[in-house]
Amino acid sequence: GENVEQHPSTLSVQEGDSAVIKCTYSDSASNYFPWYKQELGKRPQLIIDIRSNVGEKKDQRIAVTLNKTAKHFSLHITETQPEDSAVYFCAATASGSARQLTFGSGTQLTVLP
Amino acid sequence: EAGVTQSPTHLIKTRGQQATLRCSPISGHTSVYWYQQALGLGLQFLLWYDEGEERNRGNFPPRFSGRQFPNYSSELNVNALELEDSALYLCASSLGWQSTGELFFGEGSRLTVL
Repeated sequence: GENVEQHPSTLSVQEGDSAVIKCTYSDSASNYFPWYKQELGKRPQLIIDIRSNVGEKKDQRIAVTLNKTAKHFSLHITETQPEDSAVYFCAATASGSARQLTFGSGTQLTVLP
Repeated sequence: EAGVTQSPTHLIKTRGQQATLRCSPISGHTSVYWYQQALGLGLQFLLWYDEGEERNRGNFPPRFSGRQFPNYSSELNVNALELEDSALYLCASSLGWQSTGELFFGEGSRLTVL
């Protein structure tokens, strides 16, 4: 089955700096890669996703890149703000849909004012 | 539109007891997923139901079971509770097995086993 590794487990950045979280996956058939954000005590919510036919996707201050050859994908947050502080989870699936997502172990991002 | 709702919010049990957690998906969603989120760990996939059928289960022992009702709500049962079952149990729903991707999560049920 799919195995997703996520690094780093914790990340602290100064407000305004950029943050990068990286994930690798094992199943070369994986074709859908979402990122979820979980604020303290709240439910995980989808913030961005990318499919295997795209190399990069941006949405305002967040972007995701995908390298299918190396089987890794990354989340980039620019101009970080205190409200970006949360746990971020990457995930992967070969189903192309929400089913059978395998999640990474999460990254606790702290944005220091 | 109401989101995914879970009950109870908190549940305290002792070792060996049984716990039942409930989930109501977003209206129109037919797929329900259960995840375990233990402290410091990621989201571990437990079970997936669609159209009343169990479609897939994660690497958990058989004492974790569940079902999906005709109205697509779902129940997770954990028998013979062990201390390591203490965790946040998250339910999520999606439009169905052909859904394009997004999972909508509930707030979770925190199970504490003493």
